[in-house]
Order: sequence, then structure tokens, then C-alpha cells
Amino acid sequence: EAGVTQSPTHLIKTRGQQATLRCSPISGHTSVYWYQQALGLGLQFLLWYDEGEERNRGNFPPRFSGRQFPNYSSELNVNALELEDSALYLCASSLGLAVETQYFGPGTRLLVL
Amino acid sequence: EDQVTQSPEALRLQEGESSSLNCSYTVSGLRGLFWYRQDPGKGPEFLFTLYSAGEEKEKERLKATLTKKESFLHITAPKPEDSATYLCAAITGTASKLTFGTGTRLQVTL
Repeated sequence: EAGVTQSPTHLIKTRGQQATLRCSPISGHTSVYWYQQALGLGLQFLLWYDEGEERNRGNFPPRFSGRQFPNYSSELNVNALELEDSALYLCASSLGLAVETQYFGPGTRLLVL
Repeated sequence: EDQVTQSPEALRLQEGESSSLNCSYTVSGLRGLFWYRQDPGKGPEFLFTLYSAGEEKEKERLKATLTKKESFLHITAPKPEDSATYLCAAITGTASKLTFGTGTRLQVTL
């Protein structure tokens, strides 16, 4: 069974640009989560989507946004990129129950110059 | 605010030298405690889920336990391939977000 996939693996942008990151969940999973892992810091929760709706949001500014498509894949958009947005962005998926295990993808490494 | 703290930050063991990693949590209404393994530059790999105090789970050389205030990941007779960062995370309430600790970097040498 295929795991969570993310694209691209690496992304290089300049300050002020926009970045779009993509995630495909495990087949049958309806929930998608986004986390940011900056160098030296722990994973920080960004967003949770379930059945196409945004269910919860972490302490990040509105320029971090996303959506979930009818096939449950998801997109994370980061507008007006800042240098401190450089991080590994991880997507996870689960069956959508509140305490269900989240399975992570390999991540997208975003570098903002 | 929910907090998850892991110790030690880093641990170096010789092959075969057993030890334990600690994860203490201060959360309101723990609903699940998760352990993941993360290799450099990769996504976290799921290891265990614990739901209630007293619960234990085992997988090969790893054993996870849970009390009302902390969780332990016991590593028995580790091998160099066990070298990784071990992360613990908690889910509380119905928010479904994982609150992560900063991890323990484990290095196992020959």
C-alpha cells in the first residue's frame, strides 16, 4: 500500500514569492494534516483538513493557507514568503477519527532566499 | 497550554547497551500518546500509540510504556540501525493536532 506522498521534494523561492506544496494521503484516509519543522525546532502543527473542510489551525499567520480536494489530496500555500519560512513541511494523513494515528510523508524542504 | 518535554536531548549508546528515553507531558485531557522515529531529512515513521496509563506496546527491540504523567521508550540491546531521532507527541481533546516534543537524538555505536 502506498504511503503519503508529497511534492516537490525540494523548493527554492525568494522572499515575497508564493509557494505551493502538495500532498496525497494514504488511500482511504480522509484527514490531512500539515506540520512545519524548522531547523532545531520541533514539529509545529499548521492545519487540519477533513472531508474538504478546514477543521483546525495552528498559531501561524493567515498567509499560510490550504485546501483539500474531493479526492482528499491537499495543497498548502504560503504567500509573501519570509526567510524564517525555510523549513521541512510535513504532511500526514489519518482515517479522520479524533485519536487516529497520523502517518507522515517524506516532506518538502522549502528554502527561502 | 499543552506541553510535551523529552529527555535527554541526545543519547549515545554502545551496541547492546540498553536504555530508556523519557517523554513527560502536561496536557489537559490526554487522548493518545504517540512515538515516532525520524531519520535525518525524512518524515517521521510511526512506532506506537498508547491510550491509557498502564498500557505497554512492543516492537522488536523497542517497548513503550505510559503513566499518568510520562511515557518511556525502552530500547533493549540496541543496534547501530536504531540510530535516529525519537519523537513523542500527544493528542488532547478533539483538536486532532499532535503536540510534539523536540525529540531525543539517539546514536548507537559499535
